[in-house]
Amino acid sequence: GAVVSQHPSRVICKSGTSVKIECRSLDFQATTMFWYRQFPKQSLMLMATSNEGSKATYEQGVEKDKFLINHASLTLSTLTVTSAHPEDSSFYICSASPLQGQQYFGPGTRLTVT
Amino acid sequence: DQQVKQNSPSLSVQEGRISILNCDYTNSMFDYFLWYKKYPAEGPTFLISISSIKDKNEDGRFTVFLNKSAKHLSLHIVPSQPGDSAVYFCAAKGYSGNQFYFGTGTSLTVIP
Repeated sequence: GAVVSQHPSRVICKSGTSVKIECRSLDFQATTMFWYRQFPKQSLMLMATSNEGSKATYEQGVEKDKFLINHASLTLSTLTVTSAHPEDSSFYICSASPLQGQQYFGPGTRLTVT
Repeated sequence: DQQVKQNSPSLSVQEGRISILNCDYTNSMFDYFLWYKKYPAEGPTFLISISSIKDKNEDGRFTVFLNKSAKHLSLHIVPSQPGDSAVYFCAAKGYSGNQFYFGTGTSLTVIP
């Protein structure tokens, strides 16, 4: 089956710094990638949809200047959490989708902001 | 507005018995439904899906039922095994686009 990787799997950073999370589709080209956030005991919350070569579409309430998304190639999307604060601590999951295909999820990244 | 709902946050079942997880949706434009399984600190993994032209899809121990008139789907796991203990998310997708809408998840515990 299709494989999506995320890096890093865990990251701890200090308040005010920026963190970049990478999402890669390893064996298929992903025209669309999605970024989700999951709080403890809550559902997956879609943050943004990223299409290769164009600007990401952010969901209502998600600050695009804080969560920078770049989808520079058909196999890589990055999410940068800028000026991170403790409330940004969460589990971030990406998914990648072949054209009109199913979503394949990455293993997630646990971000802790101290 | 939550378009996909899982009203039971948790479920406990004895090993060997049937587990039934339920999911309701509100958008009649959804035409493809999926179930994902998620372990703590991992990404969701695909389990089984069903399109709106069917009312049942079976894959081994897993069966998904779709009742379009009631806008309801369910996942049956039989026989349940301890390794099935996880959080199960249902998801729905519309006719166009790739956006999936997820339910809030049901935590299944299978007791040995």
